[in-house]
Amino acid sequence: GESVGLHLPTLSVQEGDNSIINCAYSNSASDYFIWYKQESGKGPQFIIDIRSNMDKRQGQRVTVLLNKTVKHLSLQIAATQPGDSAVYFCAENDQAGTALIFGKGTTLSVSS
Amino acid sequence: DAGVIQSPRHEVTEMGQEVTLRCKPISGHDYLFWYRQTMMRGLELLIYFNNNVPIDDSGMPEDRFSAKMPNASFSTLKIQPSEPRDSAVYFCASSPNLGGVGEQPQHFGDGTRLSIL
Repeated sequence: GESVGLHLPTLSVQEGDNSIINCAYSNSASDYFIWYKQESGKGPQFIIDIRSNMDKRQGQRVTVLLNKTVKHLSLQIAATQPGDSAVYFCAENDQAGTALIFGKGTTLSVSS
Repeated sequence: DAGVIQSPRHEVTEMGQEVTLRCKPISGHDYLFWYRQTMMRGLELLIYFNNNVPIDDSGMPEDRFSAKMPNASFSTLKIQPSEPRDSAVYFCASSPNLGGVGEQPQHFGDGTRLSIL
């Protein structure tokens, strides 16, 4: 069946570096994608989303890139801070009218 | 703005007991979702409601699990009888009804950490 996956389960960066978290999806019909951040003991927190009619969207210090040709989604975090340390999930609606499907998550560790 | 509110935050009980988890969605949100999160299986959708009506319960593990939404501001997830393998963090989320169920961000509560001994 369709699934959302992540290339790396963990990512360690230094404070101030830029971080890139990757996600692969399998269904070319997916048209909505979201990134969530989950800190320890809390629920997933919405970061940024993107629809399939776009290939880039920017927020505050974050950018999401969508490459539909290779079915790849990435989250870029500029000037990573210790407070960015968390598990990051991508999610997609892999078929029209379905609820979101979440990937397994990438743990980002930021050292100062 | 108040987010999604879940109670209790932690629950420890013995196997065989009934467990009831509670959720208050964000006011005005028409969709409500129940998830279970474990290390092994990640975040799994159990059931979701639209306008208080259950739409998809295919993720509910078995008949021991049941969920209700008696009104727009309250939902429960019940496990009876509970088993140790039900131990997990259970999240409730809600989203607005704009464009369909998978077309808007879901907003999550902070979860209930359930331990069945």
